[in-house]
This record gives sequence, structure tokens and C-alpha cells, in this order.
Amino acid sequence: DTEVTQTPKHLVMGMTNKKSLKCEQHMGHRAMYWYKQKAKKPPELMFVYSYEKLSINESVPSRFSPECPNSSLLNLHLHALQPEDSALYLCASSQAGYTEAFFGQGTRLTVV
Amino acid sequence: GQQVMQIPQYQHVQEGEDFTTYCNSSTTLSNIQWYKQRPGGHPVFLIQLVKSGEVKKQKRLTFQFGEAKKNSSLHITATQTTDVGTYFCAGLNTNAGKSTFGDGTTLTVKP
Repeated sequence: DTEVTQTPKHLVMGMTNKKSLKCEQHMGHRAMYWYKQKAKKPPELMFVYSYEKLSINESVPSRFSPECPNSSLLNLHLHALQPEDSALYLCASSQAGYTEAFFGQGTRLTVV
Repeated sequence: GQQVMQIPQYQHVQEGEDFTTYCNSSTTLSNIQWYKQRPGGHPVFLIQLVKSGEVKKQKRLTFQFGEAKKNSSLHITATQTTDVGTYFCAGLNTNAGKSTFGDGTTLTVKP
């Protein structure tokens, strides 16, 4: 199984809502990532988890809260988002830090 | 901070023509990775280069890592319509502890 599975594929949420994005991999990878990608832009690193511990937070606003419940799962909790947070949110995993990364198909988020 | 610049931003070619995208870093890199993202898709890993001057080939794709480990290129020979997409480089700077994506080159291929 070489897949990274993200749910949901699409999400529309209001600015007062709380929602969560989920990511799962069963490749035994020990590094997991959240990226944000706007249209026609490169993926922008948000968070890195290494061995289930948060190792990098790229100064992401606190309305985004990551969680790594176990080595296979990664969540991104969303609260009080702004319309400019609308983007494709990509999860990725790799064997170790910054080796070959496998990306999920992403969650296309729209904040209204 | 670390900057990774990629050119050109867009490239339109006739099917069968060659294509090259270039990646330049402001700092020395530990490794560089290349990804392809099809329209509406997600990035898919193509290759990782680690050694100074390294050259790797995958069928019609040739990847190079510069001697100074600050630049890289991806060359596609005889493009096909299946090559359409955006090609990103991602350079790892271990001092910074993170990998930075270039802005990408979007390739369109006219049949």
C-alpha cells in the first residue's frame, strides 16, 4: 500500500465552524507533513511531524491545529478560518525527514 | 531565508519538442527532489538527487544536480501529451531543517 488517504476531498465551511481534515498512511513512514497550496502556487509547508512529535511549525496561525494521534494518522483541526484560508490542503509522508514524499490527493477547502 | 527559484514559469511546446526546467537555490542544498503535478492532481515524486554533479535518467527524463549543489535541471526529450503538468523542484537545506519548493514550471504540449 503506497497511498496516503485524505478525507474529506472537498469541504465548505463557515468562518465560525470547527472542522477537521484527516490523513492516513500505512507505509510505516515516520515523517508526516501538512502543506497548503493556492492555485498556480507551489505547496507551502505548514507542519512537520517526526516520530509523532511536532518538529516544524512554519509560523502557522493558531486557527490551524495539527495532531498526530499515532504513527499512521495526522489530523488538522480548523477553527475560525478566514476566506483567504481557502486552498488545497495536502498531507504527505516519507520514510524519514525529507526523503521521497508521498502526497495524498488533498482536501479542497472553501471558507465562506 | 532559503530561496529556490525555478524558470521558466510556463513552457508551451509542440509534441516531440524537448523541454527543460531549471532550479536555482540561494544556499547549498543537501538534496533536491523533483515532483510532477498534473492539473487537478497532487504532487507525485519523480526523483531525488544527492551527490554533486549527479545525473539520473528515467526513460525520456534526465535530471542533473550541479557541482556546487545549488542548481538542478530536468530535461524531457521528445515531449508527449502525457508530460503535461507542473514540475516542481524541492531543495533540502539541512541547516534550515526544511525543504523548500520552487515556484514550478507549467508545461503544456500541443499535439
